[in-house]
Formats: sequence, C-alpha cells, structure tokens
Amino acid sequence: IVMTQSPATLSVSPGERATLSCRASQSVRSNLAWYQQKPGQAPRLLIYEASARATGIPARFSGSGSGTEFTLTISGLQSEDSAVYYCQQYNKWPTFGPGTRLEIK
Amino acid sequence: QVQLVESGGGLVKPRGSLRLSCVASGFSFRNYYMSWIRQAPGKGLEWVSYITSLGETKYYADSVKGRFTISRDNAKNSLYLQMNDLRVDDTGVYYCARGGDDYGDSWGQGTLVTVSS
Repeated sequence: IVMTQSPATLSVSPGERATLSCRASQSVRSNLAWYQQKPGQAPRLLIYEASARATGIPARFSGSGSGTEFTLTISGLQSEDSAVYYCQQYNKWPTFGPGTRLEIK
Repeated sequence: QVQLVESGGGLVKPRGSLRLSCVASGFSFRNYYMSWIRQAPGKGLEWVSYITSLGETKYYADSVKGRFTISRDNAKNSLYLQMNDLRVDDTGVYYCARGGDDYGDSWGQGTLVTVSS
C-alpha cells in the first residue's frame, strides 16, 4: 500500500493550527498511525487507530479519517512542534508516507 | 519506563555481514512483537522485519527477504537482526521498535549501518 502526504512542507505561526494530510492507495480502514520525528531523534508515536492518542501525547494533537483519507491536526502550535510528521498504515505490510516537514514561523 | 538500546552498527563493505542487537528494559519483553525499522540518510522510514512474541513467526520486507534474519532471546530481553549480503542501499539508521503487525509505540535511538567500499 502506497502512502502519500501533503503538503511536503508547511509553515505555520505559533498559536495557529496545522492540518496535515495522508492518503492511502487503497483502504486501510482505521489502521493508521502518525509519528513525529525531530532532527537526530527516533520517531515518536503520536496517534494510532487513526484517532487514538498515544500515552503522554497532548490533546492538541488529534487524528481523524478512515479508509483512504486521514488528517493530523495540531492546535495551538508551539516551537517544539517543528518536526517531520509521518503517517504509517498497518492494514497490510506496514508502510510509511514520505513525511510532512512542519516549520514554525 | 520503556527503553530500547541498539548496538552493532558500523561500516561494512558490500556483500559483507553485520549483526545488530537491541536490549529492552522497562516492560515485559516476552509479551510483545518486536520490529526493526530503518531510515536511509535524509530519507523516509521503511519497516524491515518483525517477529512474534515467542519468536515462532518472522516477517520481512521484500527488499531484505533471504538476506536478513530476525531473532530474539526472551531470556535476555534481546532482539537481533543478522544482515548478510549487504548492499549500498541498506545504508541507514536501524531502529528497534516495540510492536509488529501494527505500529511502533516505543523506539530505540537507532544504530547506523554504512555499506560502502
């Protein structure tokens, strides 16, 4: 299953909302996760089952969608949210999207 | 807390071999599927392999099938990846992660494998 993400890069001001999109080449039901990766660090799980927040993830991170279209929304952006965000499906062999780079202005 | 520590990376020539290790702590290792996931320099993520909790079943990406072997030792809380016939495009950071046929909920810091002549 091929995952695509848009936009490739997103620049948003602190305090505003960022909306990141992920699309699957075929239905993955709700078997979708989102990760955050900062430079030099391992990815960190944010969301699983399309909308469930992982342990310790703030409520300003939210996920939605099912089937082939998914969204990660980050509200009240903070400078520490600057990172690359990946979606990953696990309906079949796990595959990742190419990532969206989020920059905080 | 969950901790995963990888080791064993390094520089190896094409067609060479390398064995990666991952030591787990802070959770009941024997109860979890475990995975290896890699990231080429400046690139995205690729799920390489995963193994069931008792080690009875192993799964591989097509890109490594027949060359890599995943294993685990639950008595030592350890996960391994034996990599043979290495290619230049196997270069990258290899992460150990908790989870298998779903998502990785905890990741190690990674170990760098460089395949170059």
